[in-house]
Amino acid sequence: GNSVTQMEGPVTLSEEAFLTINCTYTATGYPSLFWYVQYPGEGLQLLLKATKADDKGSNKGFEATYRKETTSFHLEKGSVQVSDSAVYFCALSDAGTYKYIFGTGTRLKVLA
Amino acid sequence: KAGVTQTPRYLIKTRGQQVTLSCSPISGHRSVSWYQQTPGQGLQFLFEYFSETQRNKGNFPGRFSGRQFSNSRSEMNVSTLELGDSALYLCASSFDEPVQETQYFGPGTRLLVL
Repeated sequence: GNSVTQMEGPVTLSEEAFLTINCTYTATGYPSLFWYVQYPGEGLQLLLKATKADDKGSNKGFEATYRKETTSFHLEKGSVQVSDSAVYFCALSDAGTYKYIFGTGTRLKVLA
Repeated sequence: KAGVTQTPRYLIKTRGQQVTLSCSPISGHRSVSWYQQTPGQGLQFLFEYFSETQRNKGNFPGRFSGRQFSNSRSEMNVSTLELGDSALYLCASSFDEPVQETQYFGPGTRLLVL
């Protein structure tokens, strides 16, 4: 079945460091891919999305490119801030079963 | 435009009781989905409602049920609560089909079962 695999956390970085959070997926067809962020005590917020191969989603300095050949959608940011500390979820929308499938989440801690 | 709201935000119940959680979607959104979030299992899909009909369902026991009203507001009910039902319950709304549209999440209801 379809699935999303994210790198284990926590990821701890110093402020202004480069961030990569890996996400790979298995899916039949052509899913849309998403990154959501969850700040402490809150629900999930959409960070960015890509709906077809080679699309790049971007928002607030974060980027991710839909790579069909490697079935990946890695999240990157060139310079993280303390305020980026949160849990990041990779997800795909499965048009076959009409469901969202989420990864397990990766906690990011950014130290000043 | 107001976001997705969920009430109550926190709830403490004891085993065997039942609980009802409420979700008000963004104005104009017709689809409401419910998720259970736990540290061990992550985010798991419960069900989705559209125009007062359950359109999709996850793999949860029949103790978990829901409904949607004509104004798109949705409620989720859990009967005969078990300790393992302790979780953050998130609701998300979208204009139409969630897999085609962006989902917008509420802040969640944190349920603790003692």
